[in-house]
Amino acid sequence: QKEVEQNSGPLSVPEGAIASLNCTYSDRGSQSFFWYRQYSGKSPELIMSIYSNGDKEDGRFTAQLNKASQYVSLLIRDSQPSDSATYLCAAKRDTNAGKSTFGDGTTLTVKP
Amino acid sequence: ETGVTQSPTHLIKTRGQQVTLRCSSQSGHNTVSWYQQALGQGPQFIFQYYREEENGRGNFPPRFSGLQFPNYSSELNVNALELDDSALYLCASSSYQGANYGYTFGSGTRLTVV
Repeated sequence: QKEVEQNSGPLSVPEGAIASLNCTYSDRGSQSFFWYRQYSGKSPELIMSIYSNGDKEDGRFTAQLNKASQYVSLLIRDSQPSDSATYLCAAKRDTNAGKSTFGDGTTLTVKP
Repeated sequence: ETGVTQSPTHLIKTRGQQVTLRCSSQSGHNTVSWYQQALGQGPQFIFQYYREEENGRGNFPPRFSGLQFPNYSSELNVNALELDDSALYLCASSSYQGANYGYTFGSGTRLTVV
């Protein structure tokens, strides 16, 4: 079992819809969680971070964390074709240092 | 320039050769992490450097080694290259004291081993 699991997709949604991306993690010691967006042929870009149970909103993006269920999600509202990318979920154990462990990503396609 | 800079962007090497990849961290960041990303997979942690010392290592053999310099820039060295080393190598900088803020990645080095 991988430490961070994501649905590989591809996930396809129409423009304007809500895209829901899910991630589970196995290390209960994980403290911080991150969502990165990676366009094809490019490097990952941090879009959201979350450390406390509940929701965190930033513009069209909402990250949700449930530590009891070891579950992290990312909602993208009013999806745009420019949101088409691979979304990587990452978990970090140590809040001050150490590695982030990444899932293999979910590829999202937003169709006009 | 305040972003993370990696060089070279692309590299082709022959099996058995050695390679050095370079990274300049973002201004204000003192920690550099290196990741290997194979096609269709997530980044895999190679190692991290803080204050010129290795601060954690992933499941990579000793032929993967690194350095961090006083200006926080870093090098990744790979000896005895194997075909499976072909991948995108990502440098990520972060602030040790603010690790909650996640990484800033460089644009990566695409290594092809033939």
